[in-house]
Amino acid sequence: DAMVIQNPRYQVTQFGKPVTLSCSQTLNHNVMYWYQQKSSQAPKLLFHYYDKDFNNEADTPDNFQSRRPNTSFCFLDIRSPGLGDAAMYLCATSRVGTNNEKLFFGSGTQLSVL
Amino acid sequence: GQNIDQPTEMTATEGAIVQINCTYQTSGFNGLFWYQQHAGEAPTFLSYNVLDGLEEKGRFSSFLSRSKGYSYLLLKELQMKDSASYLCAVSDSNYQLIWGAGTKLIIKP
Repeated sequence: DAMVIQNPRYQVTQFGKPVTLSCSQTLNHNVMYWYQQKSSQAPKLLFHYYDKDFNNEADTPDNFQSRRPNTSFCFLDIRSPGLGDAAMYLCATSRVGTNNEKLFFGSGTQLSVL
Repeated sequence: GQNIDQPTEMTATEGAIVQINCTYQTSGFNGLFWYQQHAGEAPTFLSYNVLDGLEEKGRFSSFLSRSKGYSYLLLKELQMKDSASYLCAVSDSNYQLIWGAGTKLIIKP
């Protein structure tokens, strides 16, 4: 089945230790998104790619970086995780970004920072 | 600023009907989405409204009034598995999604 896959499901890292979260999709969608979601809060968009074009949200900290080496894969790098970065990280895709296409989400990566 | 308001939490009884409201103030409007999110899982798409009126899909229906900046999600014949958070999201004039914080729905037997 076509889907959005995130690995790992749970990630534990140490304060200040770089961590990378991965996302892959078999939907062949143009747009890939990274969201951060803390408990009982709205998902917060960090950045998105329209094909190879990278779009950073104005309030996304520099500590967060992203790479999209090809259509299928997208990575979220947190260079120096702080305690406040503990959250669920959601990867999502949509077919196009300029129309009202629904988002397809991966299962998320729950990040803990010790 | 842009804002989506939903009740934080609601409780309903198995087999009953519940209505979850969403009001919004956004710069432009290009449609409203409802997503369901079970605890610790990713959101899944439920419905999309861009024109006024009611959209029915099985046990779930979604209503939109653009003039009032208002939507609701109606869940009928509630089942225990409907216990989840329900997120309202509006697509603004730039097709950016503005998300509500979600309504946690608790179903009691």
